[in-house]
Amino acid sequence: DTEVTQTPKHLVMGMTNKKSLKCEQHMGHRAMYWYKQKAKKPPELMFVYSYEKLSINESVPSRFSPECPNSSLLNLHLHALQPEDSALYLCASSQHLDSYNEQFFGPGTRLTVL
Amino acid sequence: GQNIDQPTEMTATEGAIVQINCTYQTSGFNGLFWYQQHAGEAPTFLSYNVLDGLEEKGRFSSFLSRSKGYSYLLLKELQMKESASYHCAVSDSNYQLIWGAGTKLIIKP
Repeated sequence: DTEVTQTPKHLVMGMTNKKSLKCEQHMGHRAMYWYKQKAKKPPELMFVYSYEKLSINESVPSRFSPECPNSSLLNLHLHALQPEDSALYLCASSQHLDSYNEQFFGPGTRLTVL
Repeated sequence: GQNIDQPTEMTATEGAIVQINCTYQTSGFNGLFWYQQHAGEAPTFLSYNVLDGLEEKGRFSSFLSRSKGYSYLLLKELQMKESASYHCAVSDSNYQLIWGAGTKLIIKP
């Protein structure tokens, strides 16, 4: 299994809603990532987990809250988002953090905040 | 600061060859990746260079010169389905990927 899966594919939410994005991989990778990508821009790193511990938080607002329940799962909890948070949210994984780290990307969740 | 430069857009003809250049200045270097991304889809890995020289993978090749902070992706025998954005990304001293803005490649018949 060389796949990273993400659910849902599309999400529309209001500014007062609470929702969660989910990501799963079964490749035995120990590093997992959340990226945000706006149209015609490169992916922007948000969070990195290494061995289920938060390794990097790139100064992301607290309305985004990551969670890594186990080595295969990564969640992103969303609360009180703003319309400018509308973007494609990509999850990725790699074998480890501190070596050659080809990242495998999931298909993304297209988020629209109304 | 960290900076990666690549052309915004390139146009090429089906069956031809195109070279996409990338220059970088980063805090540390642990390799350079090229990713392909079709509109609205996730990036997919194409190549990785950590030592100087050319890496060849079928119709795709990638070159690196660390002393010049320079890489290129060479695509031969272009196919229409390869119209996409191509991102150069450098793994920095913290092993985090610093991404270029991407080069949109338009392939015409």
